[in-house]
Amino acid sequence: AQKVTQAQTEISVVEKEDVTLDCVYETRDTTYYLFWYKQPPSGELVFLIRRNSFDEQNEISGRYSWNFQKSTSSFNFTITASQVVDSAVYFCALSEFGSGTYKYIFGTGTRLKVLA
Amino acid sequence: DARVTQTPRHKVTEMGQEVTMRCQPILGHNTVFWYRQTMMQGLELLAYFRNRAPLDDSGMPKDRFSAEMPDATLATLKIQPSEPRDSAVYFCASGPVHEQYFGPGTRLTVT
Repeated sequence: AQKVTQAQTEISVVEKEDVTLDCVYETRDTTYYLFWYKQPPSGELVFLIRRNSFDEQNEISGRYSWNFQKSTSSFNFTITASQVVDSAVYFCALSEFGSGTYKYIFGTGTRLKVLA
Repeated sequence: DARVTQTPRHKVTEMGQEVTMRCQPILGHNTVFWYRQTMMQGLELLAYFRNRAPLDDSGMPKDRFSAEMPDATLATLKIQPSEPRDSAVYFCASGPVHEQYFGPGTRLTVT
């Protein structure tokens, strides 16, 4: 069965430190998509990135980078030189096609606190 | 900057009352999702539509919840009758099928 595990419930770092948020997934499909979303204190969920299962290239966007490794079923997210504004809950999610429709599963989230 | 809009943003109601939440997806997006977020269960997909047709509502309690898309600019989620355990934040999202943009949510409190 499909599953997304974010083992880190909460992480605290000091501003300017690098931090990596872990995401491990389980799926039976060979075609699937992985996502990261940010939920700041305001509550709105912000889409950060999508990756399909055929594209294992790592991606960098400013201070954000993502490491996708199919061999370990992981899709980790690194924030370089963290800032207070990065404080939020971050969700990893998976979508796969099964039983005639797409299934979307979210992890339980990692709360990141960046201290000034 | 196109955004998903949801109304109302907050709703307090008594148990047994009907609750209707509305969502206006981003123009041009053909897939609309309804999620529920609680502390205990996290984010759960309730239902989603593509081109206004319901594709999956397996996450939704069928006896009291219903979701519809009367037209391409409006999605509704209805709870009748509401119960205290329905208290949660309900999010609508729209997008191409693999890229979801979320609305601000409706915080529902059922007393």
